[in-house]
Amino acid sequence: DIQMTQSPSSLSASVGDRVTITCRASQDIDTYLNWYQQKPGKAPKVLIYGATSLQSGVPSRFSGSGSGTDFTLTISSLQPEDFATYYCQQSYNIFTFGGGTKVEIK
Amino acid sequence: QIQLQESGPGLVKPSETLSLTCTVSGASIKNYYWSWLRQPPGKGLEVIGYYTGGTHYNPSLKSRVTVSMDTSKNQFSLRLNSVTAADTAVYYCARVWASHSLDPWGQGTLVTVSS
Repeated sequence: DIQMTQSPSSLSASVGDRVTITCRASQDIDTYLNWYQQKPGKAPKVLIYGATSLQSGVPSRFSGSGSGTDFTLTISSLQPEDFATYYCQQSYNIFTFGGGTKVEIK
Repeated sequence: QIQLQESGPGLVKPSETLSLTCTVSGASIKNYYWSWLRQPPGKGLEVIGYYTGGTHYNPSLKSRVTVSMDTSKNQFSLRLNSVTAADTAVYYCARVWASHSLDPWGQGTLVTVSS
């Protein structure tokens, strides 16, 4: 299995802050990396696919970067509706997810 | 607009078989790929199995899982044998989409394994 390690596991931030979440793969996965947002009691929603492509309808304050083993999700200016848990997922082979990053209000 | 809805028993006894169905509306299941995932209470996401031309299973569950499709009903299904309390989770179905991302998802259904 490809292991996905997310950091940090949680963070506290204020509205307007720039937030960065990282995801590291245990082997090279090219750009087969997707990011999701999950709010309590709801199904996850894809934000970024293919490491850098913004899913239709997702605000442009979300962006993704990286290739190979190291990836980043950036929220350029945190909004109240962005407080949630974020997951990375590799789709290079049998899908696996990172452990999640909970973004909380500071 | 594609919508997915999971259905099945919310309570399964230990050692029995968990069976769920995902009903797809707004698209023919023949035209896309599909997946099953789960999330234990308070924990992260785990893939169970998915179909992308061939069927792929989580190695840790492979001996107990079957994913199948019924094109006549536009449904795909999950069977998980010999369940234990560790299989208690919210179970989701989702379409496999661009770059094998997962979109959209069903709303999820909580399955509890308990006697």
